[in-house]
Amino acid sequence: EIVLTQSPGTLSLSPGERATLSCRASQSIGSSYLAWYHHKPGQAPRLLIYDTFSRATGIPDRFSGSGSGTDFSLTINRLEPEDFAVYYCQLHSGAPQNTFGQGTKLEIK
Amino acid sequence: EVQLVESGGGLVQPGGSLRLSCAASGFSFSNYWMHWVRQAPEKGLVWVANINSDGRVTQYADSVKGRFTISRDNAEKMLYLQMNSLRDEDTAVYYCARLAGPRDYWGQGTLVTVSS
Repeated sequence: EIVLTQSPGTLSLSPGERATLSCRASQSIGSSYLAWYHHKPGQAPRLLIYDTFSRATGIPDRFSGSGSGTDFSLTINRLEPEDFAVYYCQLHSGAPQNTFGQGTKLEIK
Repeated sequence: EVQLVESGGGLVQPGGSLRLSCAASGFSFSNYWMHWVRQAPEKGLVWVANINSDGRVTQYADSVKGRFTISRDNAEKMLYLQMNSLRDEDTAVYYCARLAGPRDYWGQGTLVTVSS
């Protein structure tokens, strides 16, 4: 089973700053398999990025994904108040197990 | 409008069984892989299982393999999760979800509590 490890566990930033979240896979995965989600308490999770680089429907271009092999990143430019939430990476469509990482909490500094 | 509505959660004793259902509407259900994802109290999202569009291919997280069974009825647009040999650590909100890009859809979740 491929394990996804996210870092940092918590990231404290201010609105307007840039956030960079990391996701490391325990073995190399194809770039078509990595997705990122945003989750706020009491709400359904929301897909942000799929296939490592592609933005989901309705997601602003402040969000971008990158990476290959075992190392992947989500970058959020110009943080807005609604961006503060928990972020998960996931092995997405086509992978044998659609595992999530343990999450990174993005909190207001 | 796409809707996914879960039902069947509740309180069950360790070792017991429960069957979750998810009613889908607003999209061509038979064209999509479907998933169950859970979130235990104060914990992160955990993928549980998925099933391909015609129901012939299923995949499971190691933590539930051999205990849980995912299935679907495309004619009725229903997704199911049969959960047997339940453990305390299976306590969670269970979500039915369509996770394919470029747009995902999730149900509101149904709470399963395993406790004596």
